[in-house]
Amino acid sequence: GAGVSQSPSNKVTEKGKDVELRCDPISGHTALYWYRQSLGQGLEFLIYFQGNSAPDKSGLPSDRFSAERTGGSVSTLTIQRTQQEDSAVYLCASSEGLRQASIQYFGAGTRLSVL
Amino acid sequence: LAKTTQPISMDSYEGQEVNITCSHNNIATNDYITWYQQFPSQGPRFIIQGYKTKVTNEVASLFIPADRKSSTLSLPRVSLSDTAVYYCLVGGTDSWGKFQFGAGTQVVVTP
Repeated sequence: GAGVSQSPSNKVTEKGKDVELRCDPISGHTALYWYRQSLGQGLEFLIYFQGNSAPDKSGLPSDRFSAERTGGSVSTLTIQRTQQEDSAVYLCASSEGLRQASIQYFGAGTRLSVL
Repeated sequence: LAKTTQPISMDSYEGQEVNITCSHNNIATNDYITWYQQFPSQGPRFIIQGYKTKVTNEVASLFIPADRKSSTLSLPRVSLSDTAVYYCLVGGTDSWGKFQFGAGTQVVVTP
């Protein structure tokens, strides 16, 4: 079956513009996660959804970042008034549930470059 | 608050066994230990998961001592294609509702 799909794969934008990153999880997966990975760095957790609900948004780097999930499926990560420090790869993952043993399946990521 | 500690990098030659140890002193009773592999320009992918003792699959083994405060990923007879970053993840959300991956171990395999 299809894996986690992210779009666009690459996004170049100008400082101050808004961007939307999209994630299509594996069908039937109720949990969805967003991470950020700067060049040569590890995974920085941003937010997770159980269904359409995000219980804790404190991992988002600033109030310019927001995320939503609709229909228990597609999720959008929005970055308003982008800054150069937002440049990174944004990874989305999904899992069947939100248990201690849940395995996360990752997309290939969206590489965001803010000029 | 980082939950896991891993070596930053490890070098190996083809055909050797590579063992990566992850420390997780604050592991909770219900936490599982999961390892992921990441190649450049790709998202991480699941390798193996365990709770205690030893788990083996077609690509790796995972050793977990009785106190579960550490775990060791073992890659038998590595090849050049095993060059990647390896992450361990303990449990699910921590007390701050975040998923804390370790910083990852860069494994470089040379001929």
